[in-house]
Amino acid sequence: DAGVIQSPRHEVTEMGQEVTLRCKPISGHDYLFWYRQTMMRGLELLIYFNNNVPIDDSGMPEDRFSAKMPNASFSTLKIQPSEPRDSAVYFCASRLAGGGNEQFFGPGTRLTVL
Amino acid sequence: GESVGLHLPTLSVQEGDNSIINCAYSNSASDYFIWYKQESGKGPQFIIDIRSNMDKRQGQRVTVLLNKTVKHLSLQIAATQPGDSAVYFCAENSDSKLTFGKGITLSVRP
Repeated sequence: DAGVIQSPRHEVTEMGQEVTLRCKPISGHDYLFWYRQTMMRGLELLIYFNNNVPIDDSGMPEDRFSAKMPNASFSTLKIQPSEPRDSAVYFCASRLAGGGNEQFFGPGTRLTVL
Repeated sequence: GESVGLHLPTLSVQEGDNSIINCAYSNSASDYFIWYKQESGKGPQFIIDIRSNMDKRQGQRVTVLLNKTVKHLSLQIAATQPGDSAVYFCAENSDSKLTFGKGITLSVRP
């Protein structure tokens, strides 16, 4: 398996623009997580899905952030409009229910908002 | 609020020595704890986990110790190698959600 796939790997955009981050979890995994990593705040959970259903979005910073999982093999995290303080590395991770406690992380998307 | 934290921001060790990375947690309801390793430019990678009803678990060259009395978690790496240089995070799980500590950098001197 190729592991968790994220795209793009790097994104540079201007303030006010819409940004869409994409994730393909490991095939067969039924949990999907979106994290944000910054130097100041470390690694924070934004939202997670179980069987494509959002379970907990309490970590989503504000209404500018939204996440969807239309099917078991694809999820998006959208920021609209983006702001400079959204600059961070965004990780997607997936886990198999009953398969242990390990979350498998993707390589991340480094977002820079100018 | 509940949080997971680390005692030291950086740790420098000599190649071949043993490393000990410490972590304090505050959520007594967490059901298991995990150590992750993150290399530059990559996502966190699972190292080892331990359930809250255990006090020790061993893996390949790594041992995790859990002291629930003082809410302390440690990761021991035997015979540290240059490839162990990375940022290490402890994390605690509650209701399928992981809360990560800030991370500690392990630097291995040749």
